[in-house]
Amino acid sequence: GAGVSQTPSNKVTEKGKYVELRCDPISGHTALYWYRQSLGQGPEFLIYFQGTGAADDSGLPNDRFFAVRPEGSVSTLKIQRTERGDSAVYLCASSLIAGGDEQFFGPGTRLTVL
Amino acid sequence: DQQVKQNSPSLSVQEGRISILNCDYTNSMFDYFLWYKKYPAEGPTFLISISSIKDKNEDGRFTVFLNKSAKHLSLHIVPSQPGDSAVYFCAASSQNQGAQKLVFGQGTRLTINP
Repeated sequence: GAGVSQTPSNKVTEKGKYVELRCDPISGHTALYWYRQSLGQGPEFLIYFQGTGAADDSGLPNDRFFAVRPEGSVSTLKIQRTERGDSAVYLCASSLIAGGDEQFFGPGTRLTVL
Repeated sequence: DQQVKQNSPSLSVQEGRISILNCDYTNSMFDYFLWYKKYPAEGPTFLISISSIKDKNEDGRFTVFLNKSAKHLSLHIVPSQPGDSAVYFCAASSQNQGAQKLVFGQGTRLTINP
């Protein structure tokens, strides 16, 4: 497939647990973005990578959230000590270059924290 | 503080008629606007965009209008088809405030009735 893929598609966890969400961007796309979509809302920006570095992490809600992209391709969003309020769909997007360019979204990971 | 607002959560239109989806924004620094379409269990898909130097952009059945003085944009779909039934998000970004960071509205669910 040529699109952005995300795994798992669904994740159910208990409050206090640690979770990792994975994103495989479109091959050759240098920019990668994470968004979070809560019920009835639009996607909300979390963090953006240009290559391996996090160029803008201003949307991460607190220090329980962390993301990496060690080789400039696959990215992992990590959430520590999950809370019920973290329940949402986590969307990943990629673009060929950063800024003003179309972002291609994956199908998302639905995270449910019980 | 909702910088991008879609005040109509839902819209129902008869097949063949025109669908008009509206979006308002508050941040005068926004200079690039996009519309995304989302089907259930899929990520948002880019539809059409417009730069602030234009007031209209057309692509097939889809036209986006931008009124900078009113901080308002709209998406026109004509003629509407059943496959257009989806949730539509408008999004905005600013070259000076992190062009890669899209700010989304809450979405409007469009239903096209046969």
